[in-house]
Amino acid sequence: AQSVTQLGSHVSVSEGALVLLRCNYSSSVPPYLFWYVQYPNQGLQLLLKYTSAATLVKGINGFEAEFKKSETSFHLTKPSAHMSDAAEYFCAVRPIIQGAQKLVFGQGTRLTINP
Amino acid sequence: EAGVAQSPRYKIIEKRQSVAFWCNPISGHATLYWYQQILGQGPKLLIQFQNNGVVDDSQLPKDRFSAERLKGVDSTLKIQPAKLEDSAVYLCASSLRQGYGYTFGSGTRLTVV
Repeated sequence: AQSVTQLGSHVSVSEGALVLLRCNYSSSVPPYLFWYVQYPNQGLQLLLKYTSAATLVKGINGFEAEFKKSETSFHLTKPSAHMSDAAEYFCAVRPIIQGAQKLVFGQGTRLTINP
Repeated sequence: EAGVAQSPRYKIIEKRQSVAFWCNPISGHATLYWYQQILGQGPKLLIQFQNNGVVDDSQLPKDRFSAERLKGVDSTLKIQPAKLEDSAVYLCASSLRQGYGYTFGSGTRLTVV
């Protein structure tokens, strides 16, 4: 079964610093990949997605992610952290084969921004 | 467009009691999903509907959990009887077609004491 692993359950950065959240997937065929953000007491909001087009994907709120097949990775980055970025971030995978249409989520990474 | 509506937002029950959650998806979305999110974990799919038919319920604990989407629109998820380990946030999501453009509701936070 396809899965994603998020390295680091908790990441803390200073305001203005680079944000890097790591995600690796396991799949024999490159899947579709997603990053979601969850603010306290809210549902999940899509940040960006990779669907086999451009390997560098730009999302909302200044985030971007790069699909690297050789490393089976889809790390999320933002050049300069803002206090409002503090939230839980989830990487998710969805196989592109027929009949497997569900999102499978990683364990999540809690991002804390220090003033 | 209106988002995915869920109710209630919070629920506290004692173990062995029953509870039901309601979800109204975005109008026109054929696919509806129920996810369980235990504290500190990523969401796990419980059941997926395509219109009013079940597509995937492989991770639904069928001895205590049930779900229905009778008219292919809104859906209810029921737990009977509840256990302490059912404490979680139950998220509903919908999409126009399978696997694309998920929109999540705000969830129902269940606490079983």
